[in-house]
Amino acid sequence: EPEVTQTPSHQVTQMGQEVILRCVPISNHLYFYWYRQILGQKVEFLVSFYNNEISEKSEIFDDQFSVERPDGSNFTLKIRSTKLEDSAMYFCASSELDPRRFGPGTRLTVT
Amino acid sequence: GESVGLHLPTLSVQEGDNSIINCAYSNSASDYFIWYKQESGKGPQFIIDIRSNMDKRQGQRVTVLLNKTVKHLSLQIAATQPGDSAVYFCAENNSGGSNYKLTFGKGTLLTVNP
Repeated sequence: EPEVTQTPSHQVTQMGQEVILRCVPISNHLYFYWYRQILGQKVEFLVSFYNNEISEKSEIFDDQFSVERPDGSNFTLKIRSTKLEDSAMYFCASSELDPRRFGPGTRLTVT
Repeated sequence: GESVGLHLPTLSVQEGDNSIINCAYSNSASDYFIWYKQESGKGPQFIIDIRSNMDKRQGQRVTVLLNKTVKHLSLQIAATQPGDSAVYFCAENNSGGSNYKLTFGKGTLLTVNP
């Protein structure tokens, strides 16, 4: 069964640095998403992306965040200037419609 | 609002028993519901979904029940196995409103004792 893949599995960065998290969605999927999960908490919606534009974003997804689909296969999440509170697991997901399939996540640690 | 934190509801069962995990949802306009399983250090794994025009849906060893009157969702796992040990999340979506934002519940930790 095809899977969503994410790289890197773990990213450590210093506060104020930019990070790019990468995802390869399932190939025939049209909708792409980013979620995050702070340790011990719920999975939280960040943003959805369809037809090369953001469909919806949460209040968490402020100007420090951006998403891009630079080519036909990758989907990226950029955090411009990381803060300590950005430390979390970041999950990419994709779907045709529903259900959405999640990747294994990238653990982001901001020091 | 719903509180979040380190303290998940827990359910401990013996291998071979049936498990029932419950979820209360808040948005009466939600019309699509999913159960995900999350093992430690991994992403949410799709288990089963149900739309609001149904009350029950069955998969392999799993059944989801939906009670829209009381806004309650349950996941039944038959003959629970040690590999079923994980955190189980329900998630809801209002496809008539936002088709994109899937809202997750707090999760239930299921522990299966051999």
